[in-house]
Amino acid sequence: DAGVTQSPTHLIKTRGQQVTLRCSPKSGHDTVSWYQQALGQGPQFIFQYYEEEERQRGNFPDRFSGHQFPNYSSELNVNALLLGDSALYLCASSLHRDRGRHWGNTEAFFGQGTRLTVV
Amino acid sequence: AQKITQTQPGMFVQEKEAVTLDCTYDTSDPSYGLFWYKQPSSGEMIFLIYQGSYDQQNATEGRYSLNFQKARKSANLVISASQLGDSAMYFCAMREVNQAGTALIFGKGTTLSVSS
Repeated sequence: DAGVTQSPTHLIKTRGQQVTLRCSPKSGHDTVSWYQQALGQGPQFIFQYYEEEERQRGNFPDRFSGHQFPNYSSELNVNALLLGDSALYLCASSLHRDRGRHWGNTEAFFGQGTRLTVV
Repeated sequence: AQKITQTQPGMFVQEKEAVTLDCTYDTSDPSYGLFWYKQPSSGEMIFLIYQGSYDQQNATEGRYSLNFQKARKSANLVISASQLGDSAMYFCAMREVNQAGTALIFGKGTTLSVSS
């Protein structure tokens, strides 16, 4: 059973360029979340996709956008890259459950991350 | 306001000893979940243990246990019989559930170093 897979693992881009990161969720999962982890910090939530729509968004500018495909895989796009966008980008997959039900341990499974360096 | 606080930037422990990693949280939602993740130098976040706000008993998973004190809003991770392979960054996270989604809020992490 494949876990969460992300591609590429490493990426170097120049300021002002655009980048696309990809994520395939764990089998059976339908929700994908993206996180940015700067060096020495905890991950920060970027956004979450479910049913091909952005359902929740963290405090990130519109330069950060995403997409979810019918097979539940997802892309993270970042436009007009800044030096400060250099970070480890983590994708997490989970199974959506309605708030009204007891959802127990719906832990998020993370991929190995994409390390983006902006020069 | 910071919702997850991990006050120990680094912890050092000898092999086979137990260690406690501290985590306090802040939320007004009665329904929430608390998680601990391990992040080795490779970068992958590895799920360790989960505690739901309505769970009556403290969670345990092998050598990991979560000391959940709801009134004090603390969720400390206890690792028994430390191993060299436990050396990594450890993150406490909280899941808040709102109308839109279920984002995880992470603390800044604690670096654990296990020596022989």
